[in-house]
Amino acid sequence: QVQLHESGPGLVKASETLSLTCTVSGGSFSNYYWSWIRQPPGKGLEWIGYIYYSGNTNYNPSLRSRITISVDTSKNQFSLKLSSVTAADRAVYYCAACGMGRTNWFDPWGPGTLVTVSS
Amino acid sequence: DIQMTQSPSSVSASVGDRVTISCRASQGISSWLAWYQQKPGKAPKLLIYAASSLQSGVPSRFSGSGSGTDFTLTISSLQPEDSATYYCQQANSFPLTFGGGTKVEIK
Repeated sequence: QVQLHESGPGLVKASETLSLTCTVSGGSFSNYYWSWIRQPPGKGLEWIGYIYYSGNTNYNPSLRSRITISVDTSKNQFSLKLSSVTAADRAVYYCAACGMGRTNWFDPWGPGTLVTVSS
Repeated sequence: DIQMTQSPSSVSASVGDRVTISCRASQGISSWLAWYQQKPGKAPKLLIYAASSLQSGVPSRFSGSGSGTDFTLTISSLQPEDSATYYCQQANSFPLTFGGGTKVEIK
């Protein structure tokens, strides 16, 4: 089965760039759209965007100006960069496998990593 | 963007009760809807996809129904391990969006 795990700094300074990596194991890297989703503590879920192994991306327009998602197929990894972070970007960031075509639901998910923004 | 509205925001029920959670889309999404269960400190888990298809390994007491704009997640006989927050998500169009969540508590 596919397994995902997020890694990266848990603390980022305001106005700087948040960088996270998701490592995928146990499945074909070409079978999914690889997604990032975030959840502020105590709040709901927000889809950030996804990337296909070919490098094609799809971003949430609300964050598009600040995000870059990239892929490294040699390492079975994909990454998120979110620039100019503020306190509002404090959240648990999840990576997840998203179905292709119209089956755009998320399964499985990584365990998540909390990113805090310091002033 | 398609807005997803869940109701109620929380529900308290006894073990063995039938629990129903509603999710309404701001525009028609056919059957492109998923339901997730999230326990504290854990990632969400896919329960239902395509509005009514049960994900492998999910207990049969969970079921989903609906199409268009109105959807329902039903737990036929609530168990202690079902205490969690439940989210719907539309997969009809981008950006993909989630409902605000329904917290299910055991009395």
